[in-house]
Amino acid sequence: GENVEQHPSTLSVQEGDSAVIKCTYSDSASNYFPWYKQELGKRPQLIIDIRSNVGEKKDQRIAVTLNKTAKHFSLHITETQPEDSAVYFCAASMRSSYKLIFGSGTRLLVRP
Amino acid sequence: DAGVIQSPRHEVTEMGQEVTLRCKPISGHNSLFWYRQTMMRGLELLIYFNNNVPIDDSGMPEDRFSAKMPNASFSTLKIQPSEPRDSAVYFCASSFGGQVANSPLHFGNGTRLTVT
Repeated sequence: GENVEQHPSTLSVQEGDSAVIKCTYSDSASNYFPWYKQELGKRPQLIIDIRSNVGEKKDQRIAVTLNKTAKHFSLHITETQPEDSAVYFCAASMRSSYKLIFGSGTRLLVRP
Repeated sequence: DAGVIQSPRHEVTEMGQEVTLRCKPISGHNSLFWYRQTMMRGLELLIYFNNNVPIDDSGMPEDRFSAKMPNASFSTLKIQPSEPRDSAVYFCASSFGGQVANSPLHFGNGTRLTVT
């Protein structure tokens, strides 16, 4: 079935360290993989996305990698800052459809 | 660009009452989505419209839920009658795209619904 698994569910890092969040998806036809950041009480906001014809994408301190063979993709945040603390959601498109299936979220805490 | 606009931001109602949530998508976007977010179930897609036409409502929990999109700039999600288990944050999101989900979703600020 359509499924996106995300882990860890919580992640605590020291300011300045790196954080990595991983997702796996079930549909080999998935071709779009966005990541959203949701701060407490606010809406999810797109921070980076990647399409299946690209293996890696970087935007300042944030990078996403995609392994289509293994059907997993990861979010990497370097030099973490307290304002990076939030819940992060991965998502994957399903079988060339309109649907984006979201992972269950990772609560990231960056300790000052 | 004002983004996706939802109203009300908060809604508290008693069980059995009718609730109507409203959404104005970003101008020019032709796809609109209603999501529900709870701690237990995360982000769930309820219904999707493309060019004002409902494409898939399989995520709508039951007949108590209905959604409309009378024009490109307005959509409603209605719950009648409401129940305590409907308490959640309801997000509306829009994007520019067709049948393929490869465009970024822009979320509204959500409506926090509490049914007592």
